[in-house]
This record gives sequence, C-alpha cells and structure tokens, in this order.
Amino acid sequence: ELKVEQNPLFLSMQEGKNYTIYCNYSTTSDRLYWYRQDPGKSLESLFVLLSNGAVKQEGRLMASLDTKARLSTLHITAAVHDLSATYFCASLHSGAGSYQLTFGKGTKLSVIP
Amino acid sequence: DAGVIQSPRHEVTEMGQEVTLRCKPISGHDYLFWYRQTMMRGLELLIYFNNNVPIDDSGMPEDRFSAKMPNASFSTLKIQPSEPRDSAVYFCASSLFSFYEQYFGPGTRLTVT
Repeated sequence: ELKVEQNPLFLSMQEGKNYTIYCNYSTTSDRLYWYRQDPGKSLESLFVLLSNGAVKQEGRLMASLDTKARLSTLHITAAVHDLSATYFCASLHSGAGSYQLTFGKGTKLSVIP
Repeated sequence: DAGVIQSPRHEVTEMGQEVTLRCKPISGHDYLFWYRQTMMRGLELLIYFNNNVPIDDSGMPEDRFSAKMPNASFSTLKIQPSEPRDSAVYFCASSLFSFYEQYFGPGTRLTVT
C-alpha cells in the first residue's frame, strides 16, 4: 500500500522566519504534487515535480524532489501571514495500466505576526 | 474561463435518499477527477475519466457510488442510497494532460442525516 507521510502536521511560525515541510512516500513515485487549501475552500495546485532533483519556486515557496530518498520538501522563506493555509503533498504511482494518487494528511501552517 | 463548476455547493439529505453531484470541467480539458475529503480519511481520489471514458474507479468506496460523463462538459457522481458516513466534501477537478496540473472546483459539501 502506498503511504505518504507529511511532517509536521501542524506548524506555527513567526512572520519572517524560514521553515520546511517534509513529505515522505513509500514506493516509487511518478510525480509529486503540492497543493494549498485555505479553510473551507478548494485546493490550489502549487507545484508538480516530475523528476529527481526537480526544484520549482513560486514567490516564497520552493519545492524539491529527491526520488532516491523518496522525499519532497516545501520550503517557506520569510513567511508572511498570507501563507497561512493547509499544504498537502500527493504522490502519483503508476502500475497495471492505471494510476494511484495518494495524499498526505496535510500540514496546517499558521503564520503569526 | 469560469473554472471548474460544481453544483450544488451544499446538499443535505436523509439517509437512504439518492444524491447526485454535478461537475462541469474547464473547456478543453480531457481529464476529469472526482475526490472526496473527510477529516477521518483525508483526500481520496474516487474515479477519473479521460475523454469521457472512466479509466480507474478503484477509489469508489462501494457499489452505492457511481459516476458518469456523458459528454466533455458534464459529469455526475451519484450515491444511491446515501448513508451518514458519505458525509464529506466532494471535489471535481480537471486537467489538460493526464495527472498534470489539476484545477479543482469549489466542492460540494454533502451532509447525510
């Protein structure tokens, strides 16, 4: 069974600080996704990581993928209050002609002024 | 483009009733996905379509759940009969390419009493 584990599950950080969210997955992944969800809202796609060593950045967020370690990270630089949300990673696994997409439990980020 | 459209946004029904959730994907997107989100189980991929054809429904929890896509601009997720444990937020998403960047609809919050 494919498992995706995120940590931490809850993160409270001060504005201006840096932090990293970790996403470990148990089997070979074809793609790794990061999503953002605001309370009571839908999901917003942040990054799609396709290959080992992939790094993508958007504003204060940077995502990376290490397929050998089965690890993706989401790094937050100089956090601002607007980044407060829940962040999900998801791993895509292909096999037997179809795909299995498994989500982590999410990291609830609170950025405190 | 208006994005992915889902209706209704909220649905409250009694156990045993039939429930139909609707989704209109972004025009031109060939892939459509149905997800369920609950506190207990997190985010789950239920089924996805490619060019209106169901590709993998292994995530559909029970035979009470069924999904159709009669044309490129409309899909339904039906639960018959509904049970309280079906209470969740159901998201529809679409993408241009297989499991690449997905655009999520606002979701339907279903409550079964």
